[in-house]
Amino acid sequence: DAGITQSPRHKVTETGTPVTLRCHQTENHRYMYWYRQDPGHGLRLIHYSYGVKDTDKGEVSDGYSVSRSKTEDFLLTLESATSSQTSVYFCAIRGILGQKNTEAFFGQGTRLTVV
Amino acid sequence: DQQVKQNSPSLSVQEGRISILNCDYTNSMFDYFLWYKKYPAEGPTFLISISSIKDKNEDGRFTVFLNKSAKHLSLHIVPSQPGDSAVYFCAASASRAGTASKLTFGTGTRLQVTL
Repeated sequence: DAGITQSPRHKVTETGTPVTLRCHQTENHRYMYWYRQDPGHGLRLIHYSYGVKDTDKGEVSDGYSVSRSKTEDFLLTLESATSSQTSVYFCAIRGILGQKNTEAFFGQGTRLTVV
Repeated sequence: DQQVKQNSPSLSVQEGRISILNCDYTNSMFDYFLWYKKYPAEGPTFLISISSIKDKNEDGRFTVFLNKSAKHLSLHIVPSQPGDSAVYFCAASASRAGTASKLTFGTGTRLQVTL
């Protein structure tokens, strides 16, 4: 299994509170991603990183920020949680082999409930 | 704009028969395609991939076919087994290393293999 760990695995928080989810990898992969999974929408990209301190927005980035200060850690922050951010969040990592990108490996997910 | 589409939300197949899952894409820049399998309460796991320089890739019971002119790919599972029951996601990306390398996912197809 790819060395990727998400924490926490489950969280319940109140509307308006900040929340930070952590993704930690031991593979030294360049790319890291945060996705959310919702019924009928599949996996949607929130933010991604292509190196330390290099991040960019995905298709559903509003209300989220990220930081990557070390290769191994990618943090996702909900500045002020809303009920629409109740979801399952997945972190993924992806490396490079030669001149090609490899497949992505996913963490186990974080189930976030905003009440 | 859904760049990767899986138009069948669900599929039911008898054990031992062939399962065919379909995926369409719209972005001509995609040249690397992947299938992921997801069980409940777990992260997606990589199943099989195909580069646009090929039209077929096999791995055991799993075969992926790519029709570039139609921007269509399919996953064949033969023979289907009860353990194959899961949600299957199609994903697409640019393969060249150094690009942003976002993986764009479809909405998923839930496969149920019945006895």
